[in-house]
Amino acid sequence: DAGITQSPRHKVTETGTPVTLRCHQTENHRYMYWYRQDPGHGLRLIHYSYGVKDTDKGEVSDGYSVSRSKTEDFLLTLESATSSQTSVYFCAISSLGSSGANVLTFGAGSRLTVL
Amino acid sequence: AQTVTQSQPEMSVQEAETVTLSCTYDTSESDYYLFWYKQPPSRQMILVIRQEAYKQQNATENRFSVNFQKAAKSFSLKISDSQLGDAAMYFCASKQGGSEKLVFGKGTKLTVNP
Repeated sequence: DAGITQSPRHKVTETGTPVTLRCHQTENHRYMYWYRQDPGHGLRLIHYSYGVKDTDKGEVSDGYSVSRSKTEDFLLTLESATSSQTSVYFCAISSLGSSGANVLTFGAGSRLTVL
Repeated sequence: AQTVTQSQPEMSVQEAETVTLSCTYDTSESDYYLFWYKQPPSRQMILVIRQEAYKQQNATENRFSVNFQKAAKSFSLKISDSQLGDAAMYFCASKQGGSEKLVFGKGTKLTVNP
């Protein structure tokens, strides 16, 4: 997985409980991202980080928070999970190609089910 | 705002034949990049091909090539000599220059028939 590890890979939780997903990279890349994938929606950006303690919102950030205290770790937290947050969550890191195109390398995904 | 539209939810092709997946996009920027990602049943997202908007030449990667029509804002993916391993969801995506946000289409599910 090109140096990206997501944990947990699968989680089932109940509505109202907090959940934290972890993304760990060994590539020392500056940019990290959290996306969610839902049928009929493709992948949508939740939050991203452009450095330690530097984060910004994506298009579907409501109900999610992130933290990045170290270059290698990017955490996604659902403070109080809801059924609408049942999804597959992908972490990605940015690998700038020689042309400057923002090629993303993705983790294997974390499937979250909120009952 | 950027948008990416894939109008074909599903496509099928016979093994060894050629298939074209459609993608249209909208952006107000002149500096942008376009991508096709593949997601096989393993769920892993894999970059297939990328195109810089300032380049007129269509990108090619082995059996995969694009038809980039800048004026029409169209970015289709052609897969030649289709193989069973090409069966997957294919996502078109765009990124505006200077932005870190990659916007995806909803995907096209490709089936390859033996």
